[in-house]
Amino acid sequence: QKEVEQDPGPLSVPEGAIVSLNCTYSNSAFQYFMWYRQYSRKGPELLMYTYSSGNKEDGRFTAQVDKSSKYISLFIRDSQPSDSATYLCAMSPTGNQFYFGTGTSLTVIP
Amino acid sequence: SAVISQKPSRDICQRGTSLTIQCQVDSQVTMMFWYRQQPGQSLTLIATANQGSEATYESGFVIDKFPISRPNLTFSTLTVSNMSPEDSSIYLCSVATLRADTQYFGPGTRLTVL
Repeated sequence: QKEVEQDPGPLSVPEGAIVSLNCTYSNSAFQYFMWYRQYSRKGPELLMYTYSSGNKEDGRFTAQVDKSSKYISLFIRDSQPSDSATYLCAMSPTGNQFYFGTGTSLTVIP
Repeated sequence: SAVISQKPSRDICQRGTSLTIQCQVDSQVTMMFWYRQQPGQSLTLIATANQGSEATYESGFVIDKFPISRPNLTFSTLTVSNMSPEDSSIYLCSVATLRADTQYFGPGTRLTVL
């Protein structure tokens, strides 16, 4: 079983839709949770960072961590064509080792 | 956050040759990493670049194939040696924050081996 599981998609939504991206994990020691956005031919860009459980909101983006279910989510409200990218989840138990999902490809259609 | 640059941004190389990729960070960082990202795949950690000592390689990666240097806290190089078409990939440099709780990535080097 992989440490981190992420549905690769692709996911295609109309502009303005709410997008939900998810990852599950198996290691209960994970404490640090991240979401990265990667545009085509670019390096991953840190989008959201969460420590332990709970929600974190930043503009149209909300990151949610449910440690009891070993499940994390990224919600994008009022999605825009500029949100079209691959979204990678990542997590770490201590900060010395990082585990990445395979990425979900998102296309927002104008 | 940290600003990371990589050189070259892309290259096309012949089989059997070597390419050295440079990674420069705008501030001193403790931890630097080198990743490979193949099409449709997740990030695969190649090694952790240690300042002043040999890099720590992940399973499946060896120093002879991917020698790494880290002469100071802001710079590292990764060499892809004796390349084959299977080495065609994006190579990414990343750094961890001081608290080591998250990472920032460079723009990547897109390598094609013919």
